[in-house]
Amino acid sequence: GDSVTQMEGPVTLSEEAFLTINCTYTATGYPSLFWYVQYPGEGLQLLLKATKADDKGSNKGFEATYRKETTSFHLEKGSVQVSDSAVYFCALNSPASKRGRRALTFGSGTRLQVQP
Amino acid sequence: DAGVIQSPRHEVTEMGQEVTLRCKPISGHDYLFWYRQTMMRGLELLIYFNNNVPIDDSGMPEDRFSAKMPNASFSTLKIQPSEPRDSAVYFCASSQGETQYFGPGTRLLVL
Repeated sequence: GDSVTQMEGPVTLSEEAFLTINCTYTATGYPSLFWYVQYPGEGLQLLLKATKADDKGSNKGFEATYRKETTSFHLEKGSVQVSDSAVYFCALNSPASKRGRRALTFGSGTRLQVQP
Repeated sequence: DAGVIQSPRHEVTEMGQEVTLRCKPISGHDYLFWYRQTMMRGLELLIYFNNNVPIDDSGMPEDRFSAKMPNASFSTLKIQPSEPRDSAVYFCASSQGETQYFGPGTRLLVL
């Protein structure tokens, strides 16, 4: 079945440091890939997405490139801020999923802590 | 738009009691999803609806859990009887396209 693997956290960085959160996936067919972010006490919100190979999703300084050859969708940001402290989830949906094309499969989440 | 609305935001109950969680999706969205989040199991999709019809309920843990969507603007997730292992944060999300919009969640504690 479909699965998403993320690096374990927490990831602790100083302000203005470079961020990478690794995400790899297993899926049938050609999935769409997503990064969601969860701030403390809130629900998840979409950060960025990519729907086909070599697409780059970007938002708020974050970027991720859909790499079909390595089945990866790593999240990067050049200079993190304290306000980026949150939990980041990688996710996919696949048209060939047994649960239907709209069902999202999430990774376990990576907590990011940015210190001033 | 007010976003996805969930109630209650917090619920504390005793084992064996019935619990009902409520969700109002974003107007015009035709998909509604129920998720459960725990430290041990992460984020799990329990059930989702399309145009008020359940599409996949394979994530519902057991018969104690049931979900309904009587109309396009309201859904419930019911646990009867509740058990301590049901303690979690329950999220509702809705969508029109691929992007899902999450509510703030209901934090459930079963004593």
